[in-house]
Amino acid sequence: ETGVTQTPRHLVMGMTNKKSLKCEQHLGHNAMYWYKQSAKKPLELMFVYSLEERVENNSVPSRFSPECPNSSHLFLHLHTLQPEDSALYLCASSPGLTGEQYFGPGTRLTVT
Amino acid sequence: AQSVTQPDIHITVSEGASLELRCNYSYGATPYLFWYVQSPGQGLQLLLKYFSGDTLVQGIKGFEAEFKRSQSSFNLRKPSVHWSDAAEYFCAVGAENQAGTALIFGKGTTLSVSS
Repeated sequence: ETGVTQTPRHLVMGMTNKKSLKCEQHLGHNAMYWYKQSAKKPLELMFVYSLEERVENNSVPSRFSPECPNSSHLFLHLHTLQPEDSALYLCASSPGLTGEQYFGPGTRLTVT
Repeated sequence: AQSVTQPDIHITVSEGASLELRCNYSYGATPYLFWYVQSPGQGLQLLLKYFSGDTLVQGIKGFEAEFKRSQSSFNLRKPSVHWSDAAEYFCAVGAENQAGTALIFGKGTTLSVSS
């Protein structure tokens, strides 16, 4: 595997379910990010991790819970989501906190 | 506050014609600037970046962009568009020396290519 991978690619879940999104980067980067991409809206930064420590949390509802166990892996734990949380969730990584970011293919999440 | 504006929501260009996508940014210091492309159902792919130096930067797939400080612009260009260039294009700005700062993206421009 190369670059940034995300699993699953598609997820349908009910509002009472608990699920997790996984991201893995094979680039040796130190920073990882979660973004939300909804139709007709710009990309929204959700969380930033640098060297496994969270450095930014952009007022994201607590039903989204990130986890970064090491510099290569990033998770987004989901519980009691709302239909408006349906979106494409993108993971990215970068060598440091500034500079170019490399994106995974995203997880298309549908909340029913 | 930093911001990025892409004035054109949707552009249609004939195959073989030239392309220019506009991007204006708001940032007090010299920004880091990026262009990304996103095909349907895919993540974002980096086309090119500007950090410093030569204001005309070359990227992948035949794209180039020019940083114009006086106009706060970073427009993307391609001399001859191919049908495979149809996608959504995002301009982004990053800040220097701000812990925890990530990229700020514009809302994107959708490019359609007609035959």
